[in-house]
Amino acid sequence: QVQLVESGGGLVKPGGSLRLSCAASGFTFSDYYMSWIRQAPGKGLEWVSYISSSGSTIYYADSVKGRFTISRDNAKNSLYLQMNSLRAEDTAVYYCARAHIPAVANWGQGTLVTVSS
Amino acid sequence: QLVLTQSPSASASLGASVKLTCTLSSGHSSYAIAWHQQQPEKGPRYLMKLNSDGSHSKGDGIPDRFSGSSSGAERYLTISSLQSEDEADYYCQTWGTGMVFGGGTKLTVL
Repeated sequence: QVQLVESGGGLVKPGGSLRLSCAASGFTFSDYYMSWIRQAPGKGLEWVSYISSSGSTIYYADSVKGRFTISRDNAKNSLYLQMNSLRAEDTAVYYCARAHIPAVANWGQGTLVTVSS
Repeated sequence: QLVLTQSPSASASLGASVKLTCTLSSGHSSYAIAWHQQQPEKGPRYLMKLNSDGSHSKGDGIPDRFSGSSSGAERYLTISSLQSEDEADYYCQTWGTGMVFGGGTKLTVL
């Protein structure tokens, strides 16, 4: 079955950096768009970024554009999110998701990122 | 601009049915959406993809009690024979230039 396992979350100071990873299994990773979605404490779901199956098409939410970089390694069945210049408002659980456009068809369990001094 | 609008809350009694609504913004009434459930302290779970004609395809293991329907710009999620574990936040989601989520509906089972 489809499994998405995020890692790399933790506590970081404002202005710091963090790299999230998502290990995918149970499907042909290179066939699917992938996405990062986050949820701040007590808030709703917010899309962060997506990347096409080949990596040639990438989009970001305005709130993270210029600070976050999404990437993938199809040989390693892995998705990444490099987060720089982190702010307090980036504090959230970050979910890795497999897209079956237009739907998010599978979710990971999430990894918590806390930005605080 | 593509926007999904949901009522913040809904409630229904145990064993009853409830219909949740997600409204697409003007000019986007042909869009398909997805419904997701998030139980307390858990990650989201994909429920179904719902097309503009009301046809839908559910995720693995989603009970028959969950169904979808459409009318114009409205997309509905109906849950019948409500159970306590259906108490959750329900989000609609679609895909434009980026991905778009509704604000979520908190369902209380009385």
